[in-house]
Amino acid sequence: KNQVEQSPQSLIILEGKNCTLQCNYTVSPFSNLRWYKQDTGRGPVSLTIMTFSENTKSNGRYTATLDADTKQSSLHITASQLSDSASYICVVSDRGSTLGRLYFGRGTQLTVWP
Amino acid sequence: EADIYQTPRYLVIGTGKKITLECSQTMGHDKMYWYQQDPGMELHLIHYSYGVNSTEKGDLSSESTVSRIRTEHFPLTLESARPSHTSQYLCASLGSSYEQYFGPGTRLTVT
Repeated sequence: KNQVEQSPQSLIILEGKNCTLQCNYTVSPFSNLRWYKQDTGRGPVSLTIMTFSENTKSNGRYTATLDADTKQSSLHITASQLSDSASYICVVSDRGSTLGRLYFGRGTQLTVWP
Repeated sequence: EADIYQTPRYLVIGTGKKITLECSQTMGHDKMYWYQQDPGMELHLIHYSYGVNSTEKGDLSSESTVSRIRTEHFPLTLESARPSHTSQYLCASLGSSYEQYFGPGTRLTVT
C-alpha cells in the first residue's frame, strides 16, 4: 500500500533555532517528492520538488534531502522565524500515472515561539 | 504566487441547500484537482480533470459533482449540503515540472 508517514506530528522550537522534519514513504514506482508549507486556513505552497536523481535541494532557509534507496526525506529549517509556524506536508508522486498521482502525509505542525 | 483562485473563502450554510464552490486558474493548466481536508488530517483527492469535458472521481467518495466546460474553470457542486460535508476544500492545478499549485481553499460549514 502506498503511504507517506511524517514525524514528528508536532514540534515546538524557539525562534532562531534549527529543526529537521522527517518523511518516510512506501510509494512505488517513485516519481518525485515535494515538501509544502501550509499556513492555517490556506492552501499548501510548494517549497521543494525532488526527483529520483536529486539528493538535496534548497530554497532559502529550507533544505530538503532525499534518499531514494531507503525511501526517506527530510526538511531542514535553518534559523527559524515566527513566520515558519505552519504545517509542513510531504507529498510523493508515483511514476505510473500520467495524472501524477499524489500521496499526502498528514503533515508536521511546527510552532516557532519568540 | 500562483494564479489560482477560489470563492468563497468561507461559507456557512444550512442543511439541504445547494452550493457551488468556484475554482479558476489563469495559467492554462489542463489538469485540475479538488481535495478535501479536515483539520490536522491529510488531503484527500475527491475529483480531478485531465482537461475540458474530462472529469473523474478521486480516492475519497464524495457526494459532490464537478464540471469542466472551460480550461480555466473547475467548479464543485453539492446538490444538498449536510453537516458531514463540513470541511476545507482545496482546488489545485498541475503545471510543468510536476509543480502543483493550490488555491487558498474554501472552508465550508454546514449547520
